[in-house]
Amino acid sequence: AQSVTQLDSHVSVSEGTPVLLRCNYSSSYSPSLFWYVQHPNKGLQLLLKYTSAATLVKGINGFEAEFKKSETSFHLTKPSAHMSDAAEYFCVVIAFSGGYNKLIFGAGTRLAVHP
Amino acid sequence: EPEVTQTPSHQVTQMGQEVILRCVPISNHLYFYWYRQILGQKVEFLVSFYNNEISEKSEIFDDQFSVERPDGSNFTLKIRSTKLEDSAMYFCASSAGTAGYYNEQFFGPGTRLTVL
Repeated sequence: AQSVTQLDSHVSVSEGTPVLLRCNYSSSYSPSLFWYVQHPNKGLQLLLKYTSAATLVKGINGFEAEFKKSETSFHLTKPSAHMSDAAEYFCVVIAFSGGYNKLIFGAGTRLAVHP
Repeated sequence: EPEVTQTPSHQVTQMGQEVILRCVPISNHLYFYWYRQILGQKVEFLVSFYNNEISEKSEIFDDQFSVERPDGSNFTLKIRSTKLEDSAMYFCASSAGTAGYYNEQFFGPGTRLTVL
C-alpha cells in the first residue's frame, strides 16, 4: 500500500535561514509524489510534483524537493525562508487503483518562520 | 487561471440534519474527488467520481454520504443525517486525467462543516 510519513510535525526557522521538511514514502511501484501547502484558512496549493522524470524537482516560491529512491525520501527544501512561508505542508503520494487514483496525505508539517 | 470553487465556506448544522456541500470543478476536468480533514488530523480521501459514477470510495464514505453531478458544472456531496463526527473541513478536487501530467488534482478552498 502507498503511504507517506512526515518526520516532523512542527518546524521552526528564522527568516532567511534554510528550510528542510522531511518526508519518507512507501510504495509498491514507482511513486508519484507531491508537496502541497495550506496557508491558514486557505485551500491546498500544489508546490511541486515528482512523476519519475528528473529527481530534483523545482516548485513555486523557491521550493524544491529531491527524490531519493535509495532512501525512499522526498524532502522539501528552500534556501532562505520568508515570513510568508509559514503554513502547513503536506507530503502526498498517489495510490492507483483500477485506472483511477487518489491522494494519500502525510500528517503535515507546520512551518513557523520567526523574524 | 481556472480554479475549483466551493460553497458555502462555512456550514453549521444540527445533528441529524441533511447538508449538501457544493463544488464547481475546473471546466474541462473529468475526474472529481472529495476529501475531508478533521481538525488536527490528516486529509483523508472520501470518494472519486468519473463519468457520472463513483470510481472509488473509502470506508468513511458509508450510506450516509452520496455524490452527484446534477448538471454540467456542479459536483455535490450530500450527508443525509449528520453526526457530530462529520464536523470537518471538506475539500473538493478535480483533475483532467489520472496519468502523467494530467493526474494533478486541483483543490478548492474547502467548506468547514460544523455539526452541533
